[in-house]
Amino acid sequence: AQKVTQAQTEISVVEKEDVTLDCVYETRDTTYYLFWYKQPPSGELVFLIRRNSFDEQNEISGRYSWNFQKSTSSFNFTITASQVVDSAVYFCALSEATNAGKSTFGDGTTLTVKP
Amino acid sequence: NAGVTQTPKFQVLKTGQSMTLQCAQDMNHEYMSWYRQDPGMGLRLIHYSVGAGITDQGEVPNGYNVSRSTTEDFPLRLLSAAPSQTSVYFCASSYNFWLRDNTEAFFGQGTRLTVV
Repeated sequence: AQKVTQAQTEISVVEKEDVTLDCVYETRDTTYYLFWYKQPPSGELVFLIRRNSFDEQNEISGRYSWNFQKSTSSFNFTITASQVVDSAVYFCALSEATNAGKSTFGDGTTLTVKP
Repeated sequence: NAGVTQTPKFQVLKTGQSMTLQCAQDMNHEYMSWYRQDPGMGLRLIHYSVGAGITDQGEVPNGYNVSRSTTEDFPLRLLSAAPSQTSVYFCASSYNFWLRDNTEAFFGQGTRLTVV
């Protein structure tokens, strides 16, 4: 069975601080996909990134970066120079290789960025 | 291109009533899914479909039925509503990642259901 653990339930930082959200996963599949989603207070789910299990390259997109380490089954997400608009619940998810719709989600990390 | 459309956005049911949550996508996605989100938790998979005419159970299927008669639509039926089904429901759709790279799962806006 697949499992995603986001050990940090809540994180609070002051604006402009860097923050890392942890994600550890378990799967028996050799091929799989990992995702990060953002859920702002308005409630919708916003796709941030998808990473397949063959690609361990780190990725940077503006202030966001992701560190995928297969050896430790982790897919951590870092926000650099955080902003108040980054306040949201962030979910890490794991899916089968062929079906992103059959995903296992972590319980989420609530990030609060204070001005 | 409207993406994934869920209706209604809000619904209050009495225990024992039945209803259907609608989900439609206009992106010709093969895969569609229903999730529920309870307070303080992530999304849990209820049912999913890999194409028209094919459905399967997810993690928490009891009390729910689905069908996929067309590629576009994937309705979720609550057979006899119970207070434990009070939740926010999300529909999602995606292409088959194995065949198409650089795609993502698209989610509807959610349906907030309260069963009293």
